[in-house]
Amino acid sequence: DQQVKQNSPSLSVQEGRISILNCDYTNSMFDYFLWYKKYPAEGPTFLISISSIKDKNEDGRFTVFLNKSAKHLSLHIVPSQPGDSAVYFCAASGFSGGSNYKLTFGKGTLLTVNP
Amino acid sequence: DTAVSQTPKYLVTQMGNDKSIKCEQNLGHDTMYWYKQDSKKFLKIMFSYNNKELIINETVPNRFSPKSPDKAHLNLHINSLELGDSAVYFCASSLGTGAYEQYFGPGTRLTVT
Repeated sequence: DQQVKQNSPSLSVQEGRISILNCDYTNSMFDYFLWYKKYPAEGPTFLISISSIKDKNEDGRFTVFLNKSAKHLSLHIVPSQPGDSAVYFCAASGFSGGSNYKLTFGKGTLLTVNP
Repeated sequence: DTAVSQTPKYLVTQMGNDKSIKCEQNLGHDTMYWYKQDSKKFLKIMFSYNNKELIINETVPNRFSPKSPDKAHLNLHINSLELGDSAVYFCASSLGTGAYEQYFGPGTRLTVT
């Protein structure tokens, strides 16, 4: 039962353009959402987060949008740079499958930014 | 200054052996975690400790035994290794158990032959 879904396994964009990564979730108990970036042979690195009481959070080139009614969030990267090429994981935290408050990850989207 | 460190980075061993992975964080966090990333690339939580106390145990076989000697360390011991245990194991930490971002170690790639 995938509670966090990233339906695009990969995305390719040109340097300087916008990258939009999407994520859907099914559990209405999730109240905090995060994006992580992962390079090969490294651990995931925290990028940006958003609380369920907000619909937008911005940090430099990265903006996360949350649409609670649609149970959808997206990460915008503007402008995209070659160094942004990595796997991006969407994660949601909240009470899931019992009384544990925990982080649930999507499967990731491989972003390739072409020079 | 490594925030969350794990040793070893790579571990190759035979079925039936017992092995340990160590994790240390220097962030002053109260909560630590073990995650498994399997061949399908899903990152799934295995265990969580808060102030050395086990708070999450996600239906992991009891061949896996976490141990937290203090708040800064969380080790994972695996008995009688099986082929299906081959995966990348990540340690992580966070300020607390609620809505906090988690900081991950570099991972340990375990290969069981």
